Amino acid sequence: DGGITQSPKYLFRKEGQNVTLSCEQNLNHDAMYWYRQDPGQGLRLIYYSQIVNDFQKGDIAEGYSVSREKKESFPLTVTSAQKNPTAFYLCASSRDSGSGTDTQYFGPGTRLTVL
Amino acid sequence: GNSVTQMEGPVTLSEEAFLTINCTYTATGYPSLFWYVQYPGEGLQLLLKATKADDKGSNKGFEATYRKETTSFHLEKGSVQVSDSAVYFCALRSNFNKFYFGSGTKLNVKP
Repeated sequence: DGGITQSPKYLFRKEGQNVTLSCEQNLNHDAMYWYRQDPGQGLRLIYYSQIVNDFQKGDIAEGYSVSREKKESFPLTVTSAQKNPTAFYLCASSRDSGSGTDTQYFGPGTRLTVL
Repeated sequence: GNSVTQMEGPVTLSEEAFLTINCTYTATGYPSLFWYVQYPGEGLQLLLKATKADDKGSNKGFEATYRKETTSFHLEKGSVQVSDSAVYFCALRSNFNKFYFGSGTKLNVKP
């Protein structure tokens, strides 16, 4: 089955530690995204990548870093510089065919809690 | 710029009631429009989409029509079920493959 996997589903971290969230897709999509969702709120874009070895900051990139070494993978690192990292993190991908009709597909999410 | 505005929730309905969730957008160019649904603790699932003016997206009894003249994409369902209880997000895709999401509307359906 094609889809997007995120691991782990739940993650606990002590203050001051960096942590990396995994996102893998086997949809052969070019574009991948990371969003943050806080309780009762919408999605905020952290980073996105439209091609391997290239990525752009979204609206709330401070305290986060990403890499895109392979088409299938787009890991997100939450650094100790992120002041309030406890949230639900969603990874997504889309085809980026340039047709204007591409749909964004989401993974199941990772809930990060800072202790 | 691009943005999406949804009606605030929660929306509480009895089973078999008619549902409307309002969504309006601001966009440059010709965006595609989407409705996503999120169940507790899960990611977002695509519910329906429309790619040009006057298109109607439909799925699982839900419908939405892309109205360029009113810049709207309201979600409707004729008869809701308890299983429809979830958070619904309206979204648009800009010409540069960037997506913009509304803040979400929580729907509670009571038996």
